[in-house]
Amino acid sequence: AQKITQTQPGMFVQEKEAVTLDCTYDTSDQSYGLFWYKQPSSGEMIFLIYQGSYDEQNATEGRYSLNFQKARKSANLVISASQLGDSAMYFCAMREGYTGTALIFGKGTTLSVSS
Amino acid sequence: GAVVSQHPSRVICKSGTSVKIECRSLDFQATTMFWYRQFPKQSLMLMATSNEGSKATYEQGVEKDKFLINHASLTLSTLTVTSAHPEDSSFYICSALNRRQGTKNIQYFGAGTRLSVL
Repeated sequence: AQKITQTQPGMFVQEKEAVTLDCTYDTSDQSYGLFWYKQPSSGEMIFLIYQGSYDEQNATEGRYSLNFQKARKSANLVISASQLGDSAMYFCAMREGYTGTALIFGKGTTLSVSS
Repeated sequence: GAVVSQHPSRVICKSGTSVKIECRSLDFQATTMFWYRQFPKQSLMLMATSNEGSKATYEQGVEKDKFLINHASLTLSTLTVTSAHPEDSSFYICSALNRRQGTKNIQYFGAGTRLSVL
């Protein structure tokens, strides 16, 4: 079974609109971390936001917020007021267990923002 | 955020040659670095975990003699693709773990290296 599932291969949104990118995860660990990264066409992976499994409040970083629903094992990324520069691939990732472990990535969602 | 430098960004080489890729954490010490490989329009696949001062841990199916990893200092890890062949052509990207207190143990990524083997 996939550990990280991103069901939306592509999403389209107009400038200034909000968009939600879906992510569900599967783990039996009590301690884990959830991450979202943005990958533009240049290839670099840009860290956007982090949510710890014990964090009670949803994480927010500027225009990015993470809608964390622990019981449903979902960690959706919400981008408010989309900009043309938001067009990129977005990856949801999970770190299981202790902090030294590698990330497990979903397959990604391509976001296209139009004017 | 923290800065990770990866060099070179692009390399084209002949089949049979070896290629070294460097990954440096510029403003923090990284006891752990990770090497990933990404095929076009696909996700990142972990190749190996590199810990400073010890041997790298390779994922199943990754040839350790083919992909040599060295993590000689707290700020530098290198990946050497030995005797590269066309099937090794891919996008290789490293990440470094920032364990400083308050950083939530975020992994910061380099900009990646696009390897093309002719």
